[in-house]
Amino acid sequence: AQSVTQPDIHITVSEGASLELRCNYSYGATPYLFWYVQSPGQGLQLLLKYFSGDTLVQGIKGFEAEFKRSQSSFNLRKPSVHWSDAAEYFCAVGRIQGAQKLVFGQGTRLTINP
Amino acid sequence: NAGVTQTPKFQVLKTGQSMTLQCAQDMNHEYMSWYRQDPGMGLRLIHYSVGAGITDQGEVPNGYNVSRSTTEDFPLRLLSAAPSQTSVYFCASSYEGYGTGELFFGEGSRLTVL
Repeated sequence: AQSVTQPDIHITVSEGASLELRCNYSYGATPYLFWYVQSPGQGLQLLLKYFSGDTLVQGIKGFEAEFKRSQSSFNLRKPSVHWSDAAEYFCAVGRIQGAQKLVFGQGTRLTINP
Repeated sequence: NAGVTQTPKFQVLKTGQSMTLQCAQDMNHEYMSWYRQDPGMGLRLIHYSVGAGITDQGEVPNGYNVSRSTTEDFPLRLLSAAPSQTSVYFCASSYEGYGTGELFFGEGSRLTVL
């Protein structure tokens, strides 16, 4: 079945350490790709998106993501995490096979150790 | 700078009761949508609208009703609440088409059905 997969349900990293959150999708053509962040008790906020061009995308709050067509992946990275990055992160895939559709992954909860 | 406003933030219902979750946006966005968020399942689309007078079903529409009489408002009605509708509900709007543009989310409405 076509899907968006975030393999890690929960990740814990130490403050100052690097971070990589994984996202894989199973749709054929290159879709629109998004990462959203949800702080506790809040709605979701867009971190970054990719639809064409340079495969390394810069976002807000020091995040970046890299699109790898051969791996159908769009992993989110940050070189050095801050305690305020503790949140839930959602990958989403849109415009699937040309259709107006958006599918979210299950989310990855990030905990930061001091 | 209101953005997307949802009310109420919390609600407890008994099985069989009806209620309306309100959503309003002040950004003149044509596209609006309702999602429900359940643990381990990400966000699932309930209903969406591409403009006043136009609505369509999403992934999980059963038990919910919507209408869009103005650009600003997109209420979600639960006709006869069931425990399976216990969830956190998010309203979102976008100035671009569904699946291509940034979604702007409200802060959520937590609903418990007893």
